[in-house]
Amino acid sequence: GAVVSQHPSWVICKSGTSVKIECRSLDFQATTMFWYRQFPKQSLMLMATSNEGSKATYEQGVEKDKFLINHASLTLSTLTVTSAHPEDSSFYICSASGQGIRSGANVLTFGAGSRLTVL
Amino acid sequence: KQEVTQIPAALSVPEGENLVLNCSFTDSAIYNLQWFRQDPGKGLTSLLLIQSSQREQTSGRLNASLDKSSGRSTLYIAASQPGDSATYLCAVRGGTASKLTFGTGTRLQVTL
Repeated sequence: GAVVSQHPSWVICKSGTSVKIECRSLDFQATTMFWYRQFPKQSLMLMATSNEGSKATYEQGVEKDKFLINHASLTLSTLTVTSAHPEDSSFYICSASGQGIRSGANVLTFGAGSRLTVL
Repeated sequence: KQEVTQIPAALSVPEGENLVLNCSFTDSAIYNLQWFRQDPGKGLTSLLLIQSSQREQTSGRLNASLDKSSGRSTLYIAASQPGDSATYLCAVRGGTASKLTFGTGTRLQVTL
């Protein structure tokens, strides 16, 4: 079935460094990717939506220069947290929407999430 | 702007009980509504998807209903088990290519 592989599952970094999170769609073409952030005991908040080959659309209050999103192919999207600070520590989840390669059916699948801790 | 609220925020029940989780949304013009399960530190697992034209969906011990006009959905869990302990999220979608708006979640604990 349609699967989204998200990597890394957890990362610890020093303040001021940049961290890249990858999401790959397996067995389907991810025409749209959604990136969410989830703080402890809170719900998922959408950060941005990206369509393959286009610039991402960011939600209000999300800094596009800090959270760089690349969606250059139908199977890969990346989120780079630039110059990370402790307040960026959070759980980041991607979601991919597209068509199954074999089934042709519309799918919407979530990655397993990436826990970022900035020291 | 769509807002999704879930009540209760947390729930603890003994094993074997039937329970109902509630979800309400402010804009009734939705495409579909989905219930997810999230285990601590993990991603989301889709449980049930209800299209706007449907009234309910069932999967095993789970039953989800949708009343679009009143902006409400319920998730009914029958004969709860400790393995059902997790956070349950509902999310609504405004259109085919629209984003999902998530609810605040209900943390469920089923005790032995």
